[in-house]
Amino acid sequence: AQSVSQHNHHVILSEAASLELGCNYSYGGTVNLFWYVQYPGQHLQLLLKYFSGDPLVKGIKGFEAEFIKSKFSFNLRKPSVQWSDTAEYFCAVNADSSNYQLIWGAGTKLIIKP
Amino acid sequence: DAGVIQSPRHEVTEMGQEVTLRCKPISGHNSLFWYRQTMMRGLELLIYFNNNVPIDDSGMPEDRFSAKMPNASFSTLKIQPSEPRDSAVYFCASSGGLGFASDTQYFGPGTRLTVL
Repeated sequence: AQSVSQHNHHVILSEAASLELGCNYSYGGTVNLFWYVQYPGQHLQLLLKYFSGDPLVKGIKGFEAEFIKSKFSFNLRKPSVQWSDTAEYFCAVNADSSNYQLIWGAGTKLIIKP
Repeated sequence: DAGVIQSPRHEVTEMGQEVTLRCKPISGHNSLFWYRQTMMRGLELLIYFNNNVPIDDSGMPEDRFSAKMPNASFSTLKIQPSEPRDSAVYFCASSGGLGFASDTQYFGPGTRLTVL
């Protein structure tokens, strides 16, 4: 069965630190990849997505993610985090065999210390 | 655009009671998704509608759960009778196309359900 693994359930960083959140998926075919963010008390919103083309995808709020097909990974990065980045981050994958369904990771809670 | 609207935002009820959650998708979107989020199981897709028709309800946990979409601008998720293990945050999301992943899913604020 397809699955998405987010390695860290909790990450604590200081402001200005660099961030990398891991996401690995298990599917050998063509995939569409997403990162969503859920700020405290708010709904999920799309940070960025990859469908094809340049494997380095830039999203909102200075986030980017790199699709490495050989590693089945889609890690999220930000060079310098801010306190306002405190949120839960979800990786999601769509495999071409299921047109609509997203397979979700368990999420990573990110806490930024001011 | 107001985004996806869900009501109520919070619901506290007693075991055995009927619970109805409501969702208004973004105008013009023709795909609607109901999700449940819990600490134990994360985000789970319950049911997916396209053009008001249920396409996949394999995620609906059991017969106590039912969902309807009588028109393009309204959907309900009903739990009858409710049980404490149904306590979760229920999200509604909509997207503009056939529900392909190329169509970004836009989420509502969620309904936090507590069943005592």
